[in-house]
Amino acid sequence: EAGVAQSPRYKIIEKRQSVAFWCNPISGHATLYWYQQILGQGPKLLIQFQNNGVVDDSQLPKDRFSAERLKGVDSTLKIQPAKLEDSAVYLCASSAPVGAPRYFGPGTRLLVL
Amino acid sequence: EDKVVQSPLSLVVHEGDTVTLNCSYEVTNFRSLLWYKQEKKAPTFLFMLTSSGIEKKSGRLSSILDKKELSSILNITATQTGDSAIYLCAVETGANNLFFGTGTRLTVIP
Repeated sequence: EAGVAQSPRYKIIEKRQSVAFWCNPISGHATLYWYQQILGQGPKLLIQFQNNGVVDDSQLPKDRFSAERLKGVDSTLKIQPAKLEDSAVYLCASSAPVGAPRYFGPGTRLLVL
Repeated sequence: EDKVVQSPLSLVVHEGDTVTLNCSYEVTNFRSLLWYKQEKKAPTFLFMLTSSGIEKKSGRLSSILDKKELSSILNITATQTGDSAIYLCAVETGANNLFFGTGTRLTVIP
């Protein structure tokens, strides 16, 4: 079974630029999550989708972050404009039934200069 | 406020040693506790513990959930250099929120 796919793996941008990350979940997983992991901390949820609907985006900085999952499968997360403090690893995860473990992708390491 | 606390923050052991990692939590409406191993970037799922499954074992790794003490331990016996990683504990609530601790960095020296 293929795991969660993410791209790119690394991205370096300057502050105020924009960036987009892509995620393809495990086949059949209805729930998709985006997490931000700052160095030395545990992952923090940014947004959760159930199929193509948003379940929880309470921690998403909506003035600069946006995410979509138009067809209920893959998803994109965008940052515009980026700030220095956005430097982190962005992890995508997916899960099947409620209560099942979340499986993580390899992540995208973002460095904002 | 929901929180998950892991200890120690880091640990250095020699190959063959046995280690115990700790996780304590305070959350509203606990549903499950999960352990992940993080090497480089992606957290890899290890165990999920619930009220109906408070002890799990896989090879040299085992974990126990103590719902009375609101804590869990992850044991690794006969450690190997490949066990070097950050071990993350996470707690899921009934609202389907997952809260992570900051992790324990384990280094196994040959």
